[in-house]
Amino acid sequence: AQSVAQPEDQVNVAEGNPLTVKCTYSVSGNPYLFWYVQYPNRGLQFLLKYITGDNLVKGSYGFEAEFNKSQTSFHLKKPSALVSDSALYFCAVRVYTDKLIFGTGTRLQVFP
Amino acid sequence: GAVVSQHPSRVICKSGTSVKIECRSLDFQATTMFWYRQFPKQSLMLMATSNEGSKATYEQGVEKDKFLINHASLTLSTLTVTSAHPEDSSFYICSVIPGGIQETQYFGPGTRLLVL
Repeated sequence: AQSVAQPEDQVNVAEGNPLTVKCTYSVSGNPYLFWYVQYPNRGLQFLLKYITGDNLVKGSYGFEAEFNKSQTSFHLKKPSALVSDSALYFCAVRVYTDKLIFGTGTRLQVFP
Repeated sequence: GAVVSQHPSRVICKSGTSVKIECRSLDFQATTMFWYRQFPKQSLMLMATSNEGSKATYEQGVEKDKFLINHASLTLSTLTVTSAHPEDSSFYICSVIPGGIQETQYFGPGTRLLVL
């Protein structure tokens, strides 16, 4: 069965420091990987995706993610965190069908 | 990216009544739309796939008679929660994919349902 794991319920980081939100996946076949962000009482906003090609993907708001096939990971990163980055982040995977499978989400808290 | 709207953004209703939530694709025609449910501090759970002109496909454990889905046009899908109960209170989000499976899935702003 396809699955996505986000091992951290919450990540705390000081403003200006680099941040990492972890995601690992388990699928059969080549995955299409996505990161979304959700602000309170809002829908999901697309950040970035990996389909094929360069393992380092750059997305919106300065975020990037690195696809690591051997470690089956797709960690989200940003070199310098902002307080406004505080939100709920979801990793998702799609294989073969158009259904997205979501991780459980990681709450990012950036402190001033 | 695609623009998706939902109406209403928030609804409060009495137990036993029915509530209709609309999902509109504003800038492209969507043959397929998805309905998700999100409980507080939890991930999104796919409820059903809405197919234009045909019956929706429901995920295992989702009652199709309780959550009625109608996808009557290429830009509109509706989710009706029938005979709502307090346990149906949740955040309902729709989404669309403007293309194949390599494409990004775009989400509506969500509808907060509170059943008293």
